[in-house]
Amino acid sequence: DIQMTQSPSSLSASVGDRVTIACRASQNIGIYLNWYQQEPGKAPKLLIYAASTLQSGVPSRFSGGGSGTDFTLTISSLQPEDSATYYCQQSYNFPRTFGQGTKVEV
Amino acid sequence: EVHLVESGGGLVQPGGSLRLSCVASGFTFSDHYMDWVRQAPGKGLEWVGRARNRAHSYTAEHAASVKGRFTVLRDDSRNSLYLQMNRLQTEDTAVYYCGRGCPDLPNWNGYCAFDVWGQGALVTVSS
Repeated sequence: DIQMTQSPSSLSASVGDRVTIACRASQNIGIYLNWYQQEPGKAPKLLIYAASTLQSGVPSRFSGGGSGTDFTLTISSLQPEDSATYYCQQSYNFPRTFGQGTKVEV
Repeated sequence: EVHLVESGGGLVQPGGSLRLSCVASGFTFSDHYMDWVRQAPGKGLEWVGRARNRAHSYTAEHAASVKGRFTVLRDDSRNSLYLQMNRLQTEDTAVYYCGRGCPDLPNWNGYCAFDVWGQGALVTVSS
């Protein structure tokens, strides 16, 4: 199975800050990497797929990058509504696997 | 508007069975692979299984942790996805989400993600 490791596990930042979350895959997954946002008590929401493609309706302050084994999710100007847990997920093969999550507090 | 609505969750004793349902609306269900993802209380997301569509003979994939106990099924005539859970264990306690997967269409670029999620169904396995 492909292991997905996120860092940091949690972070606290202020409104307007630039925030970056890292995700590392245990093997080369090309750009088969997705990012999700989950607010407490809610279902996850797709933010980015294929490593850097913004899902329709997602604010442009979110961006993704990377390929191979190292990926990033960046929030360019943090907003209060961005308080949530963020997960990366590989869609390279089965079983699909997720990172352990990064909790962002604003 | 695209919607997925789960039902069938509840309290069940260890060793028991339960069947979750997920009804889809607002899109052509038969064009999409469909998946189940679960989340234990206070924990992260865990993929459970996938049901492919008719074009791929409705074949399924399952996580090792549920293989042989859980079965992902679909009924395209009812726009429905199911998760049949047998021999339930306490560690299966979780919120179960259905998610829309890849569209099986000729022009799809091959990159899959869960772009629509249901609201979740809570399954509690306890004596």
